[in-house]
Amino acid sequence: RKEVEQDPGPFNVPEGATVAFNCTYSNSASQSFFWYRQDCRKEPKLLMSVYSSGNEDGRFTAQLNRASQYISLLIRDSKLSDSATYLCVVTWSGSSASKIIFGSGTRLSIRP
Amino acid sequence: GAVVSQHPSRVICKSGTSVKIECRSLDFQATTMFWYRQFPKQSLMLMATSNEGSKATYEQGVEKDKFLINHASLTLSTLTVTSAHPEDSSFYICSARESGGAYGYTFGSGTRLTVV
Repeated sequence: RKEVEQDPGPFNVPEGATVAFNCTYSNSASQSFFWYRQDCRKEPKLLMSVYSSGNEDGRFTAQLNRASQYISLLIRDSKLSDSATYLCVVTWSGSSASKIIFGSGTRLSIRP
Repeated sequence: GAVVSQHPSRVICKSGTSVKIECRSLDFQATTMFWYRQFPKQSLMLMATSNEGSKATYEQGVEKDKFLINHASLTLSTLTVTSAHPEDSSFYICSARESGGAYGYTFGSGTRLTVV
């Protein structure tokens, strides 16, 4: 089983739609969670951190469910510019090592 | 926010030669940096964790003698691809996180390596 799993998509939705992605992780000791956005041939850029209490940034809402070990990203009123690959990231830190695991990414395409 | 500078952004080299990629944290210190590789239409794969002043930790399947990592200062980590072959052609990205920073991990702009 992969440490972090995402639905690869692609999700193809009309502009204005609401779309949601999930990402599951296998290590219950995982500590920090993030959503990144990656445009074609560019480096990933941080979209938002994910907290247990859930957090919202404009049209984007991220949630963490530790009991079921998944994080989610909800995009409301999607825009054409939201088309990208969305990567979930899970991190773990021990006394002598730290690790970052990327999901394989979910491709989102917004159509006019 | 924190900025990570990576260069070169693009390099073409002949098979058998070595290529060095630099990753610098600007305006912050990074005791740990991470090196990733991304093949077309695939996700980022962690290659190694670079620790300042000590040996890097390599992920399973990554040859440490082929991908040499040096993290000699708190702001600079280098990845050297030795005796490069066409199958090493890929997009290499580094990342670092500012200690205590609230902004996740910052990525360099990446290096597209093409070995001919």
